[in-house]
Amino acid sequence: QVQLVQSGTEVKQPGASVKLSCKTSGYTFTNYAVHWLRQAPGQGLEWMGWIITGDGNTAYSQTFQGRVTFVRDASATTVYMEVSSLTSEDTAVYYCARNPLGTVTYDYWGQGTLVSVSS
Amino acid sequence: QSVLTQPPSASGTPGQRVTISCSGGNSNIGSHGVNWYQQVPGTAPKLLIYANDQRPSGVPDRFSGSRSGTSASLAINGLQSEDEADYYCDAWDGSLHAVLFGGGTKLTVL
Repeated sequence: QVQLVQSGTEVKQPGASVKLSCKTSGYTFTNYAVHWLRQAPGQGLEWMGWIITGDGNTAYSQTFQGRVTFVRDASATTVYMEVSSLTSEDTAVYYCARNPLGTVTYDYWGQGTLVSVSS
Repeated sequence: QSVLTQPPSASGTPGQRVTISCSGGNSNIGSHGVNWYQQVPGTAPKLLIYANDQRPSGVPDRFSGSRSGTSASLAINGLQSEDEADYYCDAWDGSLHAVLFGGGTKLTVL
């Protein structure tokens, strides 16, 4: 069955960076893109960008451009996201989601990773 | 502030029909498909409707979607207690080159 399993909770200080992972299984990795989204406490969903797992091409929301990097390891069917220069406003649950190419539909989601930024 | 506009709350009693709206513009809902997600607090969102009115396998046919112009709607027939959750719409925006989400609607089953 299709699964996206994310890494565990992170606690970071302001100014630090964090790297999250999203291990996929149960489907052909390169046939789908992976998007990253986040949800601040009590807030709605916010799109961060995507990575095309076949060739590694990426696209980022203007909100995060220059501060977020997506990479993939096709041999490990895993996608990674690094966020730099963290502030308290980055405290949120971060989700990876599988995306059929050519759509913005998210048909399978990871369980989410809580990132808490506090001094 | 979300570019797609949803009512913050909706409610209904068991068995009722409830609709949730999602309003946008020509560059998003008006020209690209809308998706709907259900999120029970503390869990990841789940896809309910894609491409305006398509239901993934496993989603009960009580859930339906529609689009007209620059607005979309999610309808839930025969409301059940387990439908109590937050509901989000999303769509691609061709001008912003971004995925937009509505602010979410909290559905309460009275």
